[in-house]
Amino acid sequence: GNSVTQMEGPVTLSEEAFLTINCTYTATGYPSLFWYVQYPGEGLQLLLKATKADDKGSNKGFEATYRKETTSFHLEKGSVQVSDSAVYFCALGRYSGGGADGLTFGKGTHLIIQP
Amino acid sequence: NAGVTQTPKFRVLKTGQSMTLLCAQDMNHEYMYWYRQDPGMGLRLIHYSVGEGTTAKGEVPDGYNVSRLKKQNFLLGLESAAPSQTSVYFCASSYRLTGVDNSPLHFGNGTRLTVT
Repeated sequence: GNSVTQMEGPVTLSEEAFLTINCTYTATGYPSLFWYVQYPGEGLQLLLKATKADDKGSNKGFEATYRKETTSFHLEKGSVQVSDSAVYFCALGRYSGGGADGLTFGKGTHLIIQP
Repeated sequence: NAGVTQTPKFRVLKTGQSMTLLCAQDMNHEYMYWYRQDPGMGLRLIHYSVGEGTTAKGEVPDGYNVSRLKKQNFLLGLESAAPSQTSVYFCASSYRLTGVDNSPLHFGNGTRLTVT
């Protein structure tokens, strides 16, 4: 079945540091890939997505590229801010033609940015 | 801009009690989902609905029932609560099938349930 593996957290960085959060996946076919972010006390929000190989999703300074050859979708940001502190989830589309829907999520990576 | 609203926000149950979690969305979305979030487990899909009057099982449906009598509401029921159902429950909705059409999920703020 489909699965998503994310790097373990928490990840602690200083403000203005470069961020990479690794995400790899196992899936049947070519699912769409997503990054969601969860701020304290809130539900998840879509951060960015990519629907096919070599697509790059971007939003709020974050980027991720759909790499089919390495089955990866790593999240990057050039200069993080304290306000980026949150939990980040990598996810892939569950649909495989069998009728199921929803997303398969990774376990989440807690990011802490220190001033 | 209410979006997705979940009630209640917190609840404590004793083993064997029953309860219903309510999810309401005002975006006229066709598709609705219930997830549970547990430490170190990420989010797991419990049940979902592709339209009024329909429901389908997700990854972890055992011990839960759902109903979608109105398009805007999706109810999650626990008939006999167990400590293993202690979790944070999130409802979400989407305009199109999220796994097929890449339509983003819109989440509520969650319900924290403790079963003692």
